[in-house]
Parts: sequence; C-alpha cells; structure tokens
Amino acid sequence: EVQLVQSGAEVKKPGESLMISCKGSGYNFINYWIGWVRQMPGKGLEWMGVVYPDDSNTRYSPSFQGHVTISADKSINTAYLQWSSLKASDTAMYYCARPGITGTVVYWGQGTLVTVSS
Amino acid sequence: EIVLTQSPATLSLSPGERATLSCRASQSVSRYLAWYQQKPGQAPRLLIYDASTRATGIPARFSGSGSGTDFTLTISSLEPEDFAVYYCQQRSNWITFGQGTRLEIK
Repeated sequence: EVQLVQSGAEVKKPGESLMISCKGSGYNFINYWIGWVRQMPGKGLEWMGVVYPDDSNTRYSPSFQGHVTISADKSINTAYLQWSSLKASDTAMYYCARPGITGTVVYWGQGTLVTVSS
Repeated sequence: EIVLTQSPATLSLSPGERATLSCRASQSVSRYLAWYQQKPGQAPRLLIYDASTRATGIPARFSGSGSGTDFTLTISSLEPEDFAVYYCQQRSNWITFGQGTRLEIK
C-alpha cells in the first residue's frame, strides 16, 4: 500500500526557519516525483513544486520560486519542504502528493499544519 | 500558466438532486483534467482523471466529461456524503488547480 506520511504540526515565529517532511512507503521511492501543495486557511489548493527523488531535480511554480526549497533524500525515502525565514502569510496546511501510473496525482499525505505567529 | 476557472463558486442543492460543476481552462489542456473532492480536515481525494475516467472506488454517480477547455463534473443523484468542495486540476502544462466549487446542502 502506497503511503505518504508527513511530519507533525509546527508553530513558529516570523523569521524562523522550518523544514517539514514527507516519507514515502509501499513503492519504489525514486520512480515517482513528489509534489507539495499549499492550502491557506479557508482557501483553495495551490501547487508549489515538485522534486524528482532519483536525481533531486526540482521545479517550482512561479509564485513559490525563491520562497521555499524542495528537496529529497532517496536513502530514507523522504521529501522535504523548507523555509529559511517564515512569514505570517506562510500559515497554511501543506500536503505532499504523488502521481499514479497515469500521471495524475492520486496519493496524498495527511497534511502538515504550519502556524507562523509572533 | 494555465488558469482554471470553476463555476459556480457555491452550489446549493438537496440530496437526490443532480449536480453539475464546470471547469474552464485558459488554453487547451486536451483531456489532462482531473477532479478532486475535499471534505473539512481531509486531504483531497481523486474522483476523475483524464477528463472522464473514474478513479478506483469512486461511485458511478460521479461522471466527468469534456476536452480542450471546457469540462464538467456531474453527480447524478446527490448523497449526503457528497457535500464538499470540488477542485479541478490540469496536468497538461505543469499543474494548476481551479479555485474550487463548494457544494452545500440546500
């Protein structure tokens, strides 16, 4: 069974750094990209970017380029989403996601709630 | 970036009624269009992919149609558990989501 298990909720102050994780299991981790999705409180889904675990190549949506860093460690089947300096506007639920064999996103993590508040 | 526009923003219907949700793309996405359902506190769930193929385990009352720029998700007879937010998503050129349609009980 394919599973994506994300790290737990975080409460941070503006300016702090943060890395959240997404661990894949039940499949060959290097065979599928992992994407990240932001959902701000009461709002819709926003595609942030993807990482290809085999070579750690990344691609970002324009709105998120330069604001976050996506990475992966294939030795431990884990993808990451990282901020160097959080803002209050980063408060959101973040999901990792993976496609199925058709290329459509099928599998989702349970979500990580990030709260940034002074 | 391909923009997906969903309509209506909110749809108020009763159980047993038929729901029709629309998604329009700013340029052709061929048939690379998916529909997701999201309930409060849950991750999205894939309903339809490639415009009209139901995902595994999705009831037959859910159907999708369209190609190019205009797509429709139809729920033939609403069940109480169908009231949720629905998103379309394209994967023709990168990935983008529509803004969502909230399906609420009338």
